[in-house]
Amino acid sequence: EAQVTQNPRYLITVTGKKLTVTCSQNMNHEYMSWYRQDPGLGLRQIYYSMNVEVTDKGDVPEGYKVSRKEKRNFPLILESPSPNQTSLYFCASRMTGGTNGYTFGSGTRLTVV
Amino acid sequence: GDSVTQMEGPVTLSEEAFLTINCTYTATGYPSLFWYVQYPGEGLQLLLKATKADDKGSNKGFEATYRKETTSFHLEKGSVQVSDSAVYFCALSHQATQKLVFGQGTRLTINP
Repeated sequence: EAQVTQNPRYLITVTGKKLTVTCSQNMNHEYMSWYRQDPGLGLRQIYYSMNVEVTDKGDVPEGYKVSRKEKRNFPLILESPSPNQTSLYFCASRMTGGTNGYTFGSGTRLTVV
Repeated sequence: GDSVTQMEGPVTLSEEAFLTINCTYTATGYPSLFWYVQYPGEGLQLLLKATKADDKGSNKGFEATYRKETTSFHLEKGSVQVSDSAVYFCALSHQATQKLVFGQGTRLTINP
C-alpha cells in the first residue's frame, strides 16, 4: 500500500530534550515536506526537500532541522524543544512536477511541557 | 505571497442539507487548487482537485469549480451525511515550487 508513515503518533516530552520524528514514504517520491497544524492557522510548512540532499526552509523553520540522506526518509529534528512547538505535525510527499496532490502521513501529536 | 482564505467555522448542518464552504485565493499565475479532508484523528486526504480555470473537481458527491475571474474554489455537496463530519481544507499549489498553501480549515459537523 502506498503510504507515508510517521512515528511516533503521540509524544510528550520536556523542554530542551532533543527528539526526532521519523517519516518514510514508499512511493519513490522526490518531494517531501513537513507541516505543523495549529488551531485557526491551518497547516504551515516547516521544511521541504526537492530530492536527496536538497532541503530548504518553509514558512516556520525556527527551532527545527531536517535531513534527506535517502529518498524515502525525511526526519524532523527538534534539537531543544520548547512549549511553543506543541502542535500536530504532518509529513507529506509527492512526485515532482505534475498536478497531483500530496500524500500525508497520519500525524504526530507533540506536547512539550 | 500566495494565500488561501476559507469561510470561518464551525459549520453545523442537519443530515441531507446542502453544503457550501467558501474558498478564495490570492496567487500569481495559474495554481492548481485542492480540497483536503481530515477526519477525526487522521491525516489529510485529497478530496478533489482542479488544475485550470473552469475545471470542476468532484469526488464522493462533493464538487468545486475553479473560477479564475473570482479567484474562488467553493466546495459544495447537495445532501450531506453524518459521515461527512470532518475538517475541510482548501489549498493551492504551483507546479514550479511544489509548495502547498493551506487555508485555515473549516470544521463541519452534520447532525442526524
